[in-house]
Amino acid sequence: DSGVTQTPKHLITATGQRVTLRCSPRSGDLSVYWYQQSLDQGLQFLIQYYNGEERAKGNILERFSAQQFPDLHSELNLSSLELGDSALYFCASSEGLAGGPFTDTQYFGPGTRLTVL
Amino acid sequence: DQQVKQNSPSLSVQEGRISILNCDYTNSMFDYFLWYKKYPAEGPTFLISISSIKDKNEDGRFTVFLNKSAKHLSLHIVPSQPGDSAVYFCAARASGTYKYIFGTGTRLKVLA
Repeated sequence: DSGVTQTPKHLITATGQRVTLRCSPRSGDLSVYWYQQSLDQGLQFLIQYYNGEERAKGNILERFSAQQFPDLHSELNLSSLELGDSALYFCASSEGLAGGPFTDTQYFGPGTRLTVL
Repeated sequence: DQQVKQNSPSLSVQEGRISILNCDYTNSMFDYFLWYKKYPAEGPTFLISISSIKDKNEDGRFTVFLNKSAKHLSLHIVPSQPGDSAVYFCAARASGTYKYIFGTGTRLKVLA
């Protein structure tokens, strides 16, 4: 158990809908990362937050947005869903050490499997 | 453009032998590399890392080698155990960034 929790575990929805994925980081971790893993693909970095602020952005679609709340949990919002959005979505957290990124190990949650029908 | 490549989608090794998983990268700005292991229905788990100032890092049965001139890293598992059967991802990060680029993974099967 990494200490990172993600809900829900599975989500089935229809095209055009909007969903929210939730992530609670490990106790004490300030950084949250979101990744997408499509079939037979590696993990695609979407976005990172540090202590409530966006810190890095990857190939995140404009239909997707995220935020990190004062209690440090994070939500990933996916809207106008398309069939191609079906994937595993992972959240990871890290201490987010300022000035010490070399040892900033990420701990991953179990993922949310999104199926868009 | 796949900046981190794991060209072998799968690998089978006999228990007790060495497993060698390979990873190639194209971005010369990458200065930190990691290996993650992933079991089915679980998130990736950090295994071992190496910074570009080193060419080798060892942790128990796991050793990562970095060849900067060839832009290549490898993970050696010795001896391999059935419990090592999983998907292994390599990842890289460029200096001064917090963005991690992952490879597509190699599925390792250790045969008893």
